[in-house]
Amino acid sequence: DVKVTQSSRYLVKRTGEKVFLECVQDMDHENMFWYRQDPGLGLRLIYFSYDVKMKEKGDIPEGYSVSREKKERFSLILESASTNQTSMYLCASRAAAGGTTGELFFGEGSRLTVL
Amino acid sequence: AQSVTQLGSHVSVSEGALVLLRCNYSSSVPPYLFWYVQYPNQGLQLLLKYTTGATLVKGINGFEAEFKKSETSFHLTKPSAHMSDAAEYFCAVSSPLNSGGSNYKLTFGKGTLLTVNP
Repeated sequence: DVKVTQSSRYLVKRTGEKVFLECVQDMDHENMFWYRQDPGLGLRLIYFSYDVKMKEKGDIPEGYSVSREKKERFSLILESASTNQTSMYLCASRAAAGGTTGELFFGEGSRLTVL
Repeated sequence: AQSVTQLGSHVSVSEGALVLLRCNYSSSVPPYLFWYVQYPNQGLQLLLKYTTGATLVKGINGFEAEFKKSETSFHLTKPSAHMSDAAEYFCAVSSPLNSGGSNYKLTFGKGTLLTVNP
């Protein structure tokens, strides 16, 4: 069974803290994504990684960075958390062979609250 | 640029009634279209997708969607709603990550919350 695992389901952090959100997939997928989900706004792409050490900015990269040192792991980093980054964060992966029509497999999400 | 509009942020139906969730897209190229479902406290999972060929696409759990190019629509239907269908549904279109690039992302609509009443 395919699996995308996000390390933390719920996190509470303080303004200014550095936050790491971890995502691991066991499907040997090349492509990995970080989306942010907010009520009434749907999902918005933060960053995309198409292979190890490769990344591209999505639609809302400001305030975020990412790391992809190993194929199975994609980390989202909030260098200095702010209250407007309180949100649900969803990680997804996709096989490169699927191209533009490949299915995205999602983790269960990490709900971050910044106080 | 590709975009998706879901009409109705909340749809409520009775158990056994027809489910119709509306999605319109904007695309400058032939679109690849998707419907994903999110059950409470879970990630999204693929319901169905349209790439090429037959315009009526069947998915999991009895859902289907029809691609209508003339109407730029990809509405999701199910003949008879079940309590277990209560979830949030997202329509999405495949779009280039960046202009001129070869990587693609999914651009999602804002979602439609489906409530099923007993």
